Order: sequence, then C-alpha cells, then structure tokens
Amino acid sequence: KAGVTQTPRYLIKTRGQQVTLSCSPISGHRSVSWYQQTPGQGLQFLFEYFSETQRNKGNFPGRFSGRQFSNSRSEMNVSTLELGDSALYLCASSSSLAGGSQETQYFGPGTRLLVL
Amino acid sequence: GIQVEQSPPDLILQEGANSTLRCNFSDSVNNLQWFHQNPWGQLINLFYIPSGTKQNGRLSATTVATERYSLLYISSSQTTDSGVYFCAAVASGTYKYIFGTGTRLKVLA
Repeated sequence: KAGVTQTPRYLIKTRGQQVTLSCSPISGHRSVSWYQQTPGQGLQFLFEYFSETQRNKGNFPGRFSGRQFSNSRSEMNVSTLELGDSALYLCASSSSLAGGSQETQYFGPGTRLLVL
Repeated sequence: GIQVEQSPPDLILQEGANSTLRCNFSDSVNNLQWFHQNPWGQLINLFYIPSGTKQNGRLSATTVATERYSLLYISSSQTTDSGVYFCAAVASGTYKYIFGTGTRLKVLA
C-alpha cells in the first residue's frame, strides 16, 4: 500500500504570495491532519479533516486554511506569506474507521517551504 | 488543552548503551504515539500505545494512562538510532495530536 504523499516537496516563495500544498492519504484513510514544524515552535497542529469536514483547528491565524475532497485528498493554503511561515509542513492520515481518534497516524515526507 | 512534556531534551550515548525516554501528559488520552524523526524530516511510527506495553525488537514502550506518562526504552543502541524522538497525544474528546518538544538522541560509535 502506498504511503502518504505530499507535493511539492520543496517550495520557495516571497513574502505576500500565497501557497497551496497537497496531501494524498493512504488509500482507505478518511482522516487527514496538517502540522507545521519550525525550530522555534516545534511541531504544531494546524487542522484535521474527516469526510470533508474540519473537526479540529489549531491556534493559527486565518491565513492558514485547508480543505478535504471527497477522495480524502487534502490541500492547505497559506495566503499573504510571512517570513515566519518558513517551515516543514507535514500531513498525516489515519483510517478513523469509527470516526474516532484512536488509530495510528501515518506521516508523509513533508513539504519544506522557504519564504524570502 | 493537553500539555505534553518530554525528557531529557538531549541524550548522548555510546553505542551499545540502553536508554529511557519519558513523556508526561496532562490529561486523559485517546491516543498516544511515539515517533522517530530522521534527518530528512520524515516521522517514522514506532508505537501506537495509549496504554499497556509493546515491544518491537530493541525498542519497547510502556504507557501508564492512570499516571499520565509513557516511556520509550531503547536497548543496545546503534548509531542509526540517532535522531529526534517525539511522543504525541490526543486528548479524549478531541482529534488533534499535541506533540512534545522531543528528545534529541545522538549515539556515538
């Protein structure tokens, strides 16, 4: 079974631009979560989607948004990029068979975003 | 929200030594996982362990949910064990993983 895939793997943008990152979960998984990892703040939860609905959101400004499609693929968007948005963005999927959170999360390789 | 704390923050071992990494969490959890992050940033699943004990080769983990802590044991460490180890927990009634700050392990040959 293929793992979680993320595209693109690397990205360079300038301040003020916007960016869209994509995540394809493991086949059959319905829950997708997004995380931001920076040296200063560590790994922080952005949001989680299940069956196209956002169930939880972390403490990030409204510039960070996401969505999930009917095939469980997910995208996250960051508008009006700031230097501090430079980070490794990770997505994870889980089967969430019963709609719960009691299952293993599997992570993709991440997208490294550099904002200049 | 739930707080997740890991200790020690840094650990240097000689190859062949054993180590114990600790993860404390402040609330009851539905889900707890241990991960190893490799130098390229990939988070590799080690254990899904909201309670009880599991073993996988030289690694084992124990979570005592009633006392709100989890331990990761690494025996006979190898240089390839180097990297950052994270625990992450999902508080009951939520769907968000909260990560600890990690333990950076360096194993010397």
